[in-house]
Amino acid sequence: QKEVEQDPGPLSVPEGAIVSLNCTYSNSAFQYFMWYRQYSRKGPELLMYTYSSGNKEDGRFTAQVDKSSKYISLFIRDSQPSDSATYLCAMSVTDSWGKFQFGAGTQVVVTP
Amino acid sequence: GAVVSQHPSWVICKSGTSVKIECRSLDFQATTMFWYRQFPKQSLMLMATSNEGSKATYEQGVEKDKFLINHASLTLSTLTVTSAHPEDSSFYICSARPNDRGGYGYTFGSGTRLTVV
Repeated sequence: QKEVEQDPGPLSVPEGAIVSLNCTYSNSAFQYFMWYRQYSRKGPELLMYTYSSGNKEDGRFTAQVDKSSKYISLFIRDSQPSDSATYLCAMSVTDSWGKFQFGAGTQVVVTP
Repeated sequence: GAVVSQHPSWVICKSGTSVKIECRSLDFQATTMFWYRQFPKQSLMLMATSNEGSKATYEQGVEKDKFLINHASLTLSTLTVTSAHPEDSSFYICSARPNDRGGYGYTFGSGTRLTVV
């Protein structure tokens, strides 16, 4: 079993819809949770980060962490064609900054 | 700020040859850099931790004699794939952060696509 599970998609949504992404994990030691966006043939760029459980909102993006269920989510409101990319979740334990465990990434396609 | 540059962005080499990939922090110093490998439609897999002035730390299953890492300065880490074979074809990405930032500050390079023919 992989340490981080993420549905690879593709996930196709019409412009303006809400995109809902999620990851599950098995290592209860994970404390830091990140979401990255990766365009084709590019490196990942950080979208959201959260520590421990809870919600965090930044513009059109909302990240949720439920440590009791080992489940994290990312919601993108009012999706745009420019949001079409692969979204990766990543996690790390408290003292292992930089040593992230990544999900496989979910490909999102927002159609005009 | 916090820009990480990788070079080359893509490279094709013949089987049996060696390829060097550079990772530079352009506007900050990085004591530690990380090297990842990504196969198509798969997650980034951490290969090794590059430490300035000391030996790299490799993840389990990564051959240290095949993937040579040199972190000679606070702004440059290199990954050399020695005696490359087609199965080494992959997308290699490095990451680093300024020393005064937390884990959210990690920036990734644009990656290097290696194709071994």
